[in-house]
Amino acid sequence: NAGVTQTPKFQVLKTGQSMTLQCAQDMNHEYMSWYRQDPGMGLRLIHYSVGAGITDQGEVPNGYNVSRSTTEDFPLRLLSAAPSQTSVYFCASSDGQSSYNEQFFGPGTRLTVL
Amino acid sequence: GNSVTQMEGPVTLSEEAFLTINCTYTATGYPSLFWYVQYPGEGLQLLLKATKADDKGSNKGFEATYRKETTSFHLEKGSVQVSDSAVYFCALSAFNTNAGKSTFGDGTTLTVKP
Repeated sequence: NAGVTQTPKFQVLKTGQSMTLQCAQDMNHEYMSWYRQDPGMGLRLIHYSVGAGITDQGEVPNGYNVSRSTTEDFPLRLLSAAPSQTSVYFCASSDGQSSYNEQFFGPGTRLTVL
Repeated sequence: GNSVTQMEGPVTLSEEAFLTINCTYTATGYPSLFWYVQYPGEGLQLLLKATKADDKGSNKGFEATYRKETTSFHLEKGSVQVSDSAVYFCALSAFNTNAGKSTFGDGTTLTVKP
């Protein structure tokens, strides 16, 4: 199993550009999440999904869109990039509906917006 | 709402020293508690977890005990190694919610010197 994969690993954008961060998992997990990691602020939840076709907002959803057409994939879209979106982005997945289950994280995408 | 407060870092120790990283939480009900570790350039991975009061999670020489009376989940290791240098995150998953909505602390950076 590859686990959770993310592409690209690094990306530089100009203000106003759009892009999609890709995330895929091969563990048949129902739940997938997107976090951003900023220095001194831990991980903050952007959006999450409880299954194909179902998504919801997390703590910091503004400026980001998501969709979940398949169990495996959960892309994150930046519609008009801003310097405040410079961050490291992590995708994670977890199995089932229990609060006991840990999350599995991808390696991250480091995004810089100029 | 839920919150996790971690001991501020960075923490610098000599090899074979004793490690404690404090973590306290605020949550309704009975959350599950986790410690994740992030090695340089990688995503987070589960280190240990505990799902009910007085449970002790352990892995790779690290331990943490779920203390409901003090709402704490402190991470300890008796003798750290250089290879333990990483960022450590305490997290909780509220009861009756999925772990995909976990709340994370800000992270504590540990550096172990030979």
